[in-house]
Amino acid sequence: EPEVTQTPSHQVTQMGQEVILRCVPISNHLYFYWYRQILGQKVEFLVSFYNNEISEKSEIFDDQFSVERPDGSNFTLKIRSTKLEDSAMYFCASYTGYHGYTFGSGTRLTVV
Amino acid sequence: KQEVTQIPAALSVPEGENLVLNCSFTDSAIYNLQWFRQDPGKGLTSLLLIQSSQREQTSGRLNASLDKSSGRSTLYIAASQPGDSATYLCAVRVQGGSEKLVFGKGTKLTVNP
Repeated sequence: EPEVTQTPSHQVTQMGQEVILRCVPISNHLYFYWYRQILGQKVEFLVSFYNNEISEKSEIFDDQFSVERPDGSNFTLKIRSTKLEDSAMYFCASYTGYHGYTFGSGTRLTVV
Repeated sequence: KQEVTQIPAALSVPEGENLVLNCSFTDSAIYNLQWFRQDPGKGLTSLLLIQSSQREQTSGRLNASLDKSSGRSTLYIAASQPGDSATYLCAVRVQGGSEKLVFGKGTKLTVNP
Protein backbone atom coordinates (compact mmCIF):
# COMPACT_ATOMS: atom_id res chain seq x y z
CA GLU A 1 0.00 0.00 0.00
CA PRO A 2 1.51 3.36 -1.02
CA GLU A 3 2.41 5.66 1.84
CA VAL A 4 2.99 9.32 2.54
CA THR A 5 6.28 9.66 4.41
CA GLN A 6 7.06 12.52 6.77
CA THR A 7 10.31 13.48 8.44
CA PRO A 8 11.27 14.16 11.14
CA SER A 9 8.74 12.48 13.40
CA HIS A 10 9.52 14.95 16.18
CA GLN A 11 11.24 18.33 16.05
CA VAL A 12 12.06 20.59 18.97
CA THR A 13 13.06 24.14 18.11
CA GLN A 14 13.69 27.43 19.84
CA MET A 15 11.18 30.23 19.37
CA GLY A 16 12.18 32.41 16.43
CA GLN A 17 14.05 29.65 14.61
CA GLU A 18 13.19 28.39 11.14
CA VAL A 19 11.98 24.83 10.67
CA ILE A 20 11.42 22.75 7.57
CA LEU A 21 9.05 19.82 7.68
CA ARG A 22 9.46 17.29 4.92
CA CYS A 23 7.05 15.01 3.14
CA VAL A 24 7.21 12.52 0.31
CA PRO A 25 3.69 12.19 -1.10
CA ILE A 26 2.45 9.22 -3.10
CA SER A 27 4.14 9.48 -6.46
CA ASN A 28 1.19 9.54 -8.84
CA HIS A 29 -0.97 11.84 -6.75
CA LEU A 30 -1.49 15.38 -7.95
CA TYR A 31 -3.00 17.17 -4.96
CA PHE A 32 -0.95 17.79 -1.83
CA TYR A 33 -1.93 19.31 1.47
CA TRP A 34 -0.63 20.34 4.86
CA TYR A 35 -2.86 20.14 7.92
CA ARG A 36 -2.08 20.65 11.56
CA GLN A 37 -3.56 19.52 14.87
CA ILE A 38 -2.93 21.43 18.04
CA LEU A 39 -3.15 19.12 21.05
CA GLY A 40 -6.77 18.40 21.92
CA GLN A 41 -8.16 20.32 18.96
CA LYS A 42 -9.51 19.54 15.51
CA VAL A 43 -7.33 18.77 12.52
CA GLU A 44 -7.28 22.01 10.54
CA PHE A 45 -6.39 22.84 6.96
CA LEU A 46 -3.28 24.92 6.24
CA VAL A 47 -2.59 24.85 2.52
CA SER A 48 -3.25 22.94 -0.69
CA PHE A 49 -0.81 22.56 -3.57
CA TYR A 50 -1.62 21.56 -7.13
CA ASN A 51 0.30 21.83 -10.38
CA ASN A 52 3.32 23.25 -8.55
CA GLU A 53 1.51 26.13 -6.96
CA ILE A 54 -0.63 26.95 -3.96
CA SER A 55 -4.30 26.51 -4.81
CA GLU A 56 -5.72 27.58 -1.45
CA LYS A 57 -4.43 28.64 1.94
CA SER A 58 -6.14 29.16 5.25
CA GLU A 59 -6.01 32.21 7.51
CA ILE A 60 -3.42 30.38 9.60
CA PHE A 61 -1.04 30.19 6.64
CA ASP A 62 0.44 33.66 6.93
CA ASP A 63 3.73 35.06 5.61
CA GLN A 64 5.68 32.98 8.11
CA PHE A 65 4.68 29.81 6.24
CA SER A 66 5.75 28.63 2.82
CA VAL A 67 5.57 25.41 0.83
CA GLU A 68 7.75 24.02 -1.92
CA ARG A 69 8.01 21.00 -4.14
CA PRO A 70 11.68 21.43 -4.98
CA ASP A 71 12.42 18.25 -6.91
CA GLY A 72 9.13 16.73 -8.05
CA SER A 73 9.00 14.24 -5.18
CA ASN A 74 9.55 16.06 -1.88
CA PHE A 75 6.98 18.50 -0.50
CA THR A 76 8.13 20.81 2.27
CA LEU A 77 6.52 23.17 4.76
CA LYS A 78 8.74 25.93 6.09
CA ILE A 79 7.98 28.07 9.11
CA ARG A 80 10.35 31.05 9.05
CA SER A 81 10.22 32.27 12.62
CA THR A 82 8.49 29.83 14.92
CA LYS A 83 6.19 30.92 17.73
CA LEU A 84 5.08 28.98 20.78
CA GLU A 85 1.60 28.65 19.28
CA ASP A 86 3.05 26.83 16.25
CA SER A 87 3.54 23.79 18.48
CA ALA A 88 1.33 21.13 16.94
CA MET A 89 1.26 17.92 14.95
CA TYR A 90 1.73 18.70 11.26
CA PHE A 91 0.31 16.29 8.71
CA CYS A 92 1.07 16.04 5.03
CA ALA A 93 -1.52 14.44 2.77
CA SER A 94 -2.08 13.60 -0.86
CA TYR A 95 -5.34 12.89 -2.61
CA THR A 96 -6.92 10.86 -5.37
CA GLY A 97 -10.59 10.56 -6.17
CA TYR A 98 -10.48 6.79 -5.80
CA HIS A 99 -8.73 6.44 -2.46
CA GLY A 100 -9.49 9.83 -0.97
CA TYR A 101 -6.92 11.35 1.29
CA THR A 102 -3.80 9.51 2.46
CA PHE A 103 -2.09 11.12 5.43
CA GLY A 104 1.46 10.78 6.64
CA SER A 105 2.23 9.84 10.22
CA GLY A 106 2.93 13.46 11.09
CA THR A 107 5.68 15.61 12.55
CA ARG A 108 5.28 16.71 16.12
CA LEU A 109 6.69 20.23 16.34
CA THR A 110 7.51 21.57 19.80
CA VAL A 111 8.55 25.22 20.05
CA VAL A 112 10.27 26.13 23.31
CA LYS B 1 -18.82 27.74 6.23
CA GLN B 2 -18.80 23.97 6.67
CA GLU B 3 -18.93 22.69 10.23
CA VAL B 4 -18.57 19.04 11.22
CA THR B 5 -19.80 17.76 14.55
CA GLN B 6 -19.24 14.33 16.06
CA ILE B 7 -21.32 12.81 18.82
CA PRO B 8 -20.52 11.44 21.33
CA ALA B 9 -17.16 12.98 22.17
CA ALA B 10 -16.20 9.84 24.08
CA LEU B 11 -17.61 6.34 24.33
CA SER B 12 -16.66 3.41 26.52
CA VAL B 13 -18.07 -0.04 25.76
CA PRO B 14 -17.38 -3.65 26.76
CA GLU B 15 -15.69 -5.91 24.26
CA GLY B 16 -18.06 -7.55 21.77
CA GLU B 17 -20.59 -4.75 21.70
CA ASN B 18 -21.84 -3.26 18.43
CA LEU B 19 -21.66 0.54 18.37
CA VAL B 20 -22.50 3.57 16.27
CA LEU B 21 -20.55 6.80 15.95
CA ASN B 22 -22.33 9.85 14.58
CA CYS B 23 -21.16 12.67 12.36
CA SER B 24 -23.13 15.65 11.09
CA PHE B 25 -22.19 18.42 8.68
CA THR B 26 -23.86 21.72 7.95
CA ASP B 27 -23.41 22.07 4.17
CA SER B 28 -24.52 19.23 1.89
CA ALA B 29 -22.27 20.47 -0.95
CA ILE B 30 -19.61 17.82 -0.45
CA TYR B 31 -17.67 15.56 -2.79
CA ASN B 32 -17.20 12.79 -0.31
CA LEU B 33 -16.88 11.90 3.35
CA GLN B 34 -14.02 9.98 4.89
CA TRP B 35 -13.70 8.25 8.25
CA PHE B 36 -10.27 8.06 9.86
CA ARG B 37 -8.81 6.39 12.89
CA GLN B 38 -6.20 8.16 15.03
CA ASP B 39 -4.20 6.44 17.74
CA PRO B 40 -2.71 8.68 20.47
CA GLY B 41 0.12 10.82 19.12
CA LYS B 42 -0.09 9.14 15.72
CA GLY B 43 -1.22 9.90 12.19
CA LEU B 44 -4.57 9.44 10.50
CA THR B 45 -5.46 6.07 9.04
CA SER B 46 -8.20 6.06 6.45
CA LEU B 47 -10.99 3.61 7.24
CA LEU B 48 -13.73 4.29 4.71
CA LEU B 49 -14.39 6.75 1.89
CA ILE B 50 -17.97 7.40 0.79
CA GLN B 51 -18.55 9.37 -2.40
CA SER B 52 -21.44 11.83 -2.33
CA SER B 53 -23.44 9.61 -4.70
CA GLN B 54 -23.10 6.57 -2.42
CA ARG B 55 -25.19 5.58 0.58
CA GLU B 56 -22.77 3.29 2.37
CA GLN B 57 -19.42 1.55 2.35
CA THR B 58 -18.26 -1.54 4.19
CA SER B 59 -14.86 -2.82 5.19
CA GLY B 60 -14.69 -5.85 7.45
CA ARG B 61 -16.47 -5.05 10.70
CA LEU B 62 -16.94 -1.40 9.71
CA ASN B 63 -19.90 0.05 7.88
CA ALA B 64 -20.31 3.74 7.12
CA SER B 65 -23.48 5.36 5.84
CA LEU B 66 -24.06 8.75 4.28
CA ASP B 67 -27.26 10.77 4.06
CA LYS B 68 -26.08 13.84 2.22
CA SER B 69 -29.41 15.63 2.17
CA SER B 70 -29.73 15.54 5.95
CA GLY B 71 -26.01 16.13 6.51
CA ARG B 72 -25.37 12.93 8.45
CA SER B 73 -23.05 9.96 8.47
CA THR B 74 -22.70 7.05 10.85
CA LEU B 75 -19.87 4.62 11.43
CA TYR B 76 -21.03 1.25 12.66
CA ILE B 77 -18.48 -1.04 14.33
CA ALA B 78 -19.57 -4.63 14.82
CA ALA B 79 -18.29 -6.91 17.57
CA SER B 80 -15.90 -4.32 19.02
CA GLN B 81 -12.44 -5.38 20.21
CA PRO B 82 -9.92 -3.70 22.56
CA GLY B 83 -7.76 -3.02 19.50
CA ASP B 84 -10.51 -0.76 18.18
CA SER B 85 -9.76 1.71 20.97
CA ALA B 86 -8.77 4.98 19.26
CA THR B 87 -10.19 8.33 18.22
CA TYR B 88 -12.42 8.18 15.15
CA LEU B 89 -12.52 11.27 12.95
CA CYS B 90 -15.10 12.17 10.35
CA ALA B 91 -14.13 14.60 7.57
CA VAL B 92 -15.96 15.99 4.54
CA ARG B 93 -14.32 17.11 1.33
CA VAL B 94 -15.95 20.41 0.49
CA GLN B 95 -16.90 21.49 -3.01
CA GLY B 96 -15.19 24.54 -4.43
CA GLY B 97 -11.75 25.99 -3.85
CA SER B 98 -9.11 23.34 -3.30
CA GLU B 99 -11.72 20.90 -2.00
CA LYS B 100 -10.05 20.61 1.35
CA LEU B 101 -11.16 18.36 4.18
CA VAL B 102 -13.09 19.76 7.10
CA PHE B 103 -12.79 17.61 10.21
CA GLY B 104 -14.91 16.93 13.23
CA LYS B 105 -13.29 16.82 16.63
CA GLY B 106 -13.61 13.07 16.84
CA THR B 107 -15.09 10.39 19.07
CA LYS B 108 -12.68 8.78 21.51
CA LEU B 109 -13.60 5.10 21.75
CA THR B 110 -12.48 2.81 24.54
CA VAL B 111 -13.29 -0.89 24.28
CA ASN B 112 -12.83 -2.65 27.61
CA PRO B 113 -11.76 -6.32 27.71
